[in-house]
Amino acid sequence: DTEVTQTPKHLVMGMTNKKSLKCEQHMGHRAMYWYKQKAKKPPELMFVYSYEKLSINESVPSRFSPECPNSSLLNLHLHALQPEDSALYLCASSQGGRIGGVEQYFGPGTRLTVT
Amino acid sequence: AQKITQTQPGMFVQEKEAVTLDCTYDTSDPSYGLFWYKQPSSGEMIFLIYQGSYDQQNATEGRYSLNFQKARKSANLVISASQLGDSAMYFCAMREGNTNAGKSTFGDGTTLTVKP
Repeated sequence: DTEVTQTPKHLVMGMTNKKSLKCEQHMGHRAMYWYKQKAKKPPELMFVYSYEKLSINESVPSRFSPECPNSSLLNLHLHALQPEDSALYLCASSQGGRIGGVEQYFGPGTRLTVT
Repeated sequence: AQKITQTQPGMFVQEKEAVTLDCTYDTSDPSYGLFWYKQPSSGEMIFLIYQGSYDQQNATEGRYSLNFQKARKSANLVISASQLGDSAMYFCAMREGNTNAGKSTFGDGTTLTVKP
């Protein structure tokens, strides 16, 4: 099973709302990632979790708050977003560590619109 | 300087023909990995092929092969016998260092259109 699932598929939220994006994988991967992707642009890395610890934060504004409750789950909590935060948010996972598969498996993404 | 450069914003290929998508990279790290991903209009990124900097042979996966020229710092993707379903955006990416949970840098992508 090489599946990464993301919910919801679509999300529309106001600038004062609080919402969360959820990502799940059951491949035993120990590295999980959040990316933001604007239309026709490459994905931009936001966060990396390695063995459930935050290992990379690409200077993301604090209105985005990641959480890794366990090795299978990754959340992205959203609060007080701006319209320019509207994008496709992709979750990915990889085996992690120094040995093992290096490729990342991506979920289908959540299309976020901030009004 | 950009770490990953894809110079072809758009490419067209006739169905059943082969096509090469270009990718050049820049790094001073001796240990790195190069990846190609496919992104159809549905949005999901699909892993296609991987080449490690120490791999002696070019990677192949079915109809996909990676033409790795280390001295020229290029990692071109070759798709043989193109199919209509190959129409998508293709991204080249690089991960530096020897940890598998590090940062990957993506190129700007190439949109491939396969004509019937």
